[in-house]
Amino acid sequence: SQQGEEDPQALSIQEGENATMNCSYKTSINNLQWYRQNSGRGLVHLILIRSNEREKHSGRLRVTLDTSKKSSSLLITASRAADTASYFCATVTHQAGTALIFGKGTTLSVSS
Amino acid sequence: EAQVTQNPRYLITVTGKKLTVTCSQNMNHEYMSWYRQDPGLGLRQIYYSMNVEVTDKGDVPEGYKVSRKEKRNFPLILESPSPNQTSLYFCASSLLEGFGSYNSPLHFGNGTRLTVT
Repeated sequence: SQQGEEDPQALSIQEGENATMNCSYKTSINNLQWYRQNSGRGLVHLILIRSNEREKHSGRLRVTLDTSKKSSSLLITASRAADTASYFCATVTHQAGTALIFGKGTTLSVSS
Repeated sequence: EAQVTQNPRYLITVTGKKLTVTCSQNMNHEYMSWYRQDPGLGLRQIYYSMNVEVTDKGDVPEGYKVSRKEKRNFPLILESPSPNQTSLYFCASSLLEGFGSYNSPLHFGNGTRLTVT
């Protein structure tokens, strides 16, 4: 059961530019999380935003959440080549309880 | 070092030959889960466990078994693997706060790439 859908599917930018990825979901959530995956490796947690929060920052990452639109965005500022990875949003829904449901991801390529 | 350890990293097997992928975490996490990742389909949950002796089906449980006899271990068992189970598998764990709520991030293992011929 797909809950989150990331947009765009793929994004190519130059080093130093900002990268914005969006996530839309279908049902009300407890929280929304963003993860990064380097090619073929395990996912790494980036940031968690609760349903009663609107914005959260962590280093060069900024996440916003709009529960009225059922959407979230992840902004990476001043991108680096090392940011090249796939980025996934994941949601915990009131219905799912203890299941974290992932979207299909955005593949970000940062070239130097 | 806090980590989730999966073994093996790579596995090639033949149809019907039972196999087990092990997963162990050293963070005393209650919650553990198995996902499979396939191109174009993203990550899909196979099974999860909220504590010892408590397991539940995820989205794609058919053809898989799990057990949770100890808190740290959550093996994934394929009794009779088939080629459509060729995939990249991830084990993950997390704290479980409150009564069924889930506000803690998942910690992932490095994955097991399984090929069934």
